[in-house]
Amino acid sequence: AQSVTQPDIHITVSEGASLELRCNYSYGATPYLFWYVQSPGQGLQLLLKYFSGDTLVQGIKGFEAEFKRSQSSFNLRKPSVHWSDAAEYFCAVARSGNTGKLIFGQGTTLQVKP
Amino acid sequence: NAGVTQTPKFRVLKTGQSMTLLCAQDMNHEYMYWYRQDPGMGLRLIHYSVGEGTTAKGEVPDGYNVSRLKKQNFLLGLESAAPSQTSVYFCASRLGGHEQYFGPGTRLTVT
Repeated sequence: AQSVTQPDIHITVSEGASLELRCNYSYGATPYLFWYVQSPGQGLQLLLKYFSGDTLVQGIKGFEAEFKRSQSSFNLRKPSVHWSDAAEYFCAVARSGNTGKLIFGQGTTLQVKP
Repeated sequence: NAGVTQTPKFRVLKTGQSMTLLCAQDMNHEYMYWYRQDPGMGLRLIHYSVGEGTTAKGEVPDGYNVSRLKKQNFLLGLESAAPSQTSVYFCASRLGGHEQYFGPGTRLTVT
């Protein structure tokens, strides 16, 4: 069965420090992978996506993610975190077929220290 | 474009009451989805629709019904609310690619 795991429930980093959020997936074929961000009380906003091609994808707000098939991972990174990046981050994989159903990880809450 | 909108934003129900959540999108998207979000569990798919007049079950459909009479609207109904349905409900839509666009959510409390 397809699944997505985000091993870190909560991460705290200092403003200006680098960030890496982990995501591992279980999927039989080439996956469609996504990272979404949710600010408190808000809906989900797409940060970036991977469908095929270059395994390093750039997103909005200075985020990037790298697809590593050998490790079944799609980790999200940012070189320098800003206080406004404090939010909950979700990794998701699209199921096979054309229904487009997404399977989400449990989410990682990012806290940014001043 | 307003994108994806959800009505209401907040609601408190008593056990056994019924209600309907409305999702509307103005992007002419074919596919629409209802998710629920609970702490530590991410988002889980309740029901979805691949086009006007069609609906299908997701991961956690029990206790919910849906209808897609118009392409732009996707309704989620709770016939007899239970405390276990206390959650934040998100609607999403997509055109043909795999990117989904999410609404702002409805926070539902069942007492």
